[in-house]
Amino acid sequence: GENVEQHPSTLSVQEGDSAVIKCTYSDSASNYFPWYKQELGKGPQLIIDIRSNVGEKKDQRIAVTLNKTAKHFSLHITETQPEDSAVYFCAASISAGSTLGRLYFGRGTQLTVWP
Amino acid sequence: SQTIHQWPATLVQPVGSPLSLECTVEGTSNPNLYWYRQAAGRGLQLLFYSVGIGQISSEVPQNLSASRPQDRQFILSSKKLLLSDSGFYLCAWKRRSGDTEAFFGQGTRLTVV
Repeated sequence: GENVEQHPSTLSVQEGDSAVIKCTYSDSASNYFPWYKQELGKGPQLIIDIRSNVGEKKDQRIAVTLNKTAKHFSLHITETQPEDSAVYFCAASISAGSTLGRLYFGRGTQLTVWP
Repeated sequence: SQTIHQWPATLVQPVGSPLSLECTVEGTSNPNLYWYRQAAGRGLQLLFYSVGIGQISSEVPQNLSASRPQDRQFILSSKKLLLSDSGFYLCAWKRRSGDTEAFFGQGTRLTVV
């Protein structure tokens, strides 16, 4: 099955700096890559996603890039703020076959933004 | 709009006692339903998923079971809890197509003492 690796496991940045989280996946059939943010004691919430026919997607301070050849994708947060502090998960999904719709998650990155 | 309800939010149970966590989804039909566990270390471990009523797939052998008695109801159970069952349990739903997001409940913090 699909294997998603996520790095780093922890990331500390100063407010205003940029943060980058990287993920790799193993199954070339994966074609949907969401990113989730989980605040303490809550369920993860989608913040941005990208599909395999797109190389980059932006939403205000958040951007995601996808390199299908290298099988890696990254989350970029610019001008970080203390409220960006949370655990971030990447995931990959295959749109066909017996694992249709299943999301394979990375192990998460604890992002801390210092004021 | 679609919503997902999961309860209780926190639960403290003695070792050997039974468990029942319930999850319901509103505003959609025929969802895929999932139970995840999140232990210390933050990773999301998929426990069970269901593509329809009475259809349950288990990802890892364990002390837990799941049932889907209705289209939008997913239940996580145990007959006898172990200390190692402690963790944060998350229910999620997803549309059947592959390239859509999953929506998570707010989670249940289970402590087995």
